[in-house]
Amino acid sequence: EPEVTQTPSHQVTQMGQEVILRCVPISNHLYFYWYRQILGQKVEFLVSFYNNEISEKSEIFDDQFSVERPDGSNFTLKIRSTKLEDSAMYFCASTQRDYSQQYFGPGTRLTVT
Amino acid sequence: GDSVTQMEGPVTLSEEAFLTINCTYTATGYPSLFWYVQYPGEGLQLLLKATKADDKGSNKGFEATYRKETTSFHLEKGSVQVSDSAVYFCALSEIRANSKLTFGKGITLSVRP
Repeated sequence: EPEVTQTPSHQVTQMGQEVILRCVPISNHLYFYWYRQILGQKVEFLVSFYNNEISEKSEIFDDQFSVERPDGSNFTLKIRSTKLEDSAMYFCASTQRDYSQQYFGPGTRLTVT
Repeated sequence: GDSVTQMEGPVTLSEEAFLTINCTYTATGYPSLFWYVQYPGEGLQLLLKATKADDKGSNKGFEATYRKETTSFHLEKGSVQVSDSAVYFCALSEIRANSKLTFGKGITLSVRP
């Protein structure tokens, strides 16, 4: 069964550094999402992406964040200058069409020191 | 805005015990409701869903009924197994294009033999 994959599984970075989290959505999916979960807190929506542009973003998704689909298969989340409070599990999701089930990747645990 | 509240965890049960995990929501309009499950080391997987009032979602022996009058979507299973040990997330999604998921905090279930 096709699945969403994410790399790396765990990323450790120093405060102020840039990180790129990578996701490979299911191949025929058209809608893409990033969510995050700070330890012990809720899974929070960050951004949705369709047709090479952002559809919706949360207030968490400020100028330090960006998303890109550089080559038709990868979907990346970039954090330009990481802060301690960016430490979280980041989940990518994709869906084939509107109103249908979102399929999630296993997540990337980001630790900012 | 929309929100989902889950009962506090963790929950530890013996095999074959009855399971109830409470979930209530606040939303404008009539959202779709979901239960997602995350097994150790894996991504979030859709367990079941319901799209309108009084609908019952079911899968793998789990059930949840969309109760509009009490704004609830409690998850139940009559006889849990050790393999049900996982984190369970209640979520909602508005019925509109490219809608994000709004999650509850998640609850860890451990089933002992």
